[in-house]
Amino acid sequence: RKEVEQDPGPFNVPEGATVAFNCTYSNSASQSFFWYRQDCRKEPKLLMSVYSSGNEDGRFTAQLNRASQYISLLIRDSKLSDSATYLCVVNLIKAAGNKLTFGGGTRVLVKP
Amino acid sequence: GAVVSQHPSWVICKSGTSVKIECRSLDFQATTMFWYRQFPKQSLMLMATSNEGSKATYEQGVEKDKFLINHASLTLSTLTVTSAHPEDSSFYICSARALDRFETSGNTIYFGEGSWLTVV
Repeated sequence: RKEVEQDPGPFNVPEGATVAFNCTYSNSASQSFFWYRQDCRKEPKLLMSVYSSGNEDGRFTAQLNRASQYISLLIRDSKLSDSATYLCVVNLIKAAGNKLTFGGGTRVLVKP
Repeated sequence: GAVVSQHPSWVICKSGTSVKIECRSLDFQATTMFWYRQFPKQSLMLMATSNEGSKATYEQGVEKDKFLINHASLTLSTLTVTSAHPEDSSFYICSARALDRFETSGNTIYFGEGSWLTVV
């Protein structure tokens, strides 16, 4: 089983619609979680951190479910510019230091 | 905000030659930098963790003699792909950790722009 798993998609989303997808992680000791956005042939960029209480940033809402070991990202009122690959990142703090593990990414295509 | 600069953005080299990629933190000191590799349609795979002034820690399956990492200062880490082969062609990305005074939960990771390596 992979440490961090995501549905690769693509999720084809009509403009203005809502899309949501999850990311599961295998290590219950994982301590912090992030969603990154990666455009084609570019570096990943931090979209938002994911807090235990859930958090919202504009049209984006992230949630963490520790019991079931998954995080989710919801995008409301999708824009064409939201088309990208969304990477789930899990941080595990080890004695040797932090270790970030990336999921395989979920591709989202927003269409007119 | 914090910026990580990676150079070169694109490089084409002949098989058997070595290529050096630089990763610089521009406005903060980075005691730890990370090197990733990403093949097409795949996620980022951590290659190694680079600590300033000490040897890098390589992930399982990554040849340390082939991928030489040097972190000589708090703002610069370099990755040298030695005796490059076509299968080393990939997108290499570095990231650096910045200590945020206002974040009690930990650190913020910033990525370089990435370097596309093509070995012919």
